[in-house]
Amino acid sequence: GAVVSQHPSWVICKSGTSVKIECRSLDFQATTMFWYRQFPKQSLMLMATSNEGSKATYEQGVEKDKFLINHASLTLSTLTVTSAHPEDSSFYICSALGQGYQPQHFGDGTRLSIL
Amino acid sequence: RKEVEQDPGPFNVPEGATVAFNCTYSNSASQSFFWYRQDCRKEPKLLMSVYSSGNEDGRFTAQLNRASQYISLLIRDSKLSDSATYLCAVNSLYSSASKIIFGSGTRLSIRP
Repeated sequence: GAVVSQHPSWVICKSGTSVKIECRSLDFQATTMFWYRQFPKQSLMLMATSNEGSKATYEQGVEKDKFLINHASLTLSTLTVTSAHPEDSSFYICSALGQGYQPQHFGDGTRLSIL
Repeated sequence: RKEVEQDPGPFNVPEGATVAFNCTYSNSASQSFFWYRQDCRKEPKLLMSVYSSGNEDGRFTAQLNRASQYISLLIRDSKLSDSATYLCAVNSLYSSASKIIFGSGTRLSIRP
């Protein structure tokens, strides 16, 4: 089945650091990738939709200058959390979507802890 | 009103029981539907797609009712390992881009 790889799986860093998370589709071309955030015991919250070769579409309330998204190829999207603070600590999950109305396939997630 | 709504649960049922979840969606133009399973501190994993004719995979049966705009998941002979959060997902077209909206999830706990 389709495989999505997300890296790193766990990050612990100091407040003020910028953190980059990669999401790769390994065996298919992903025209669209999605970035979600999930706080403990809460549901997945869509942050932004990333389309290859164009600007990401951010959901309401998500700061585009804080969460930089780049989708430079059909197999790679990156999310950079700039100047991260403790309130940014969360579980970040990417997913990739191929062509048409196919299901999304998720990466393993990145657990981000800001001290 | 949320685009996709689920009963958050938790559902606490004995092993061997049959349990059913429903999920309603508001966008009548939605094209495809899915159930995902998410274990604690893990990413969601696709459980099954949901087709208009209904589909079955072992102990799991999914159904779609377009007229009433809901999808359902039935788990028969539940196992302890079925304990998880179940997310419904609806794929719709927004401004020529496909987007999947997730429900908030229904927590299921199977007791021995």
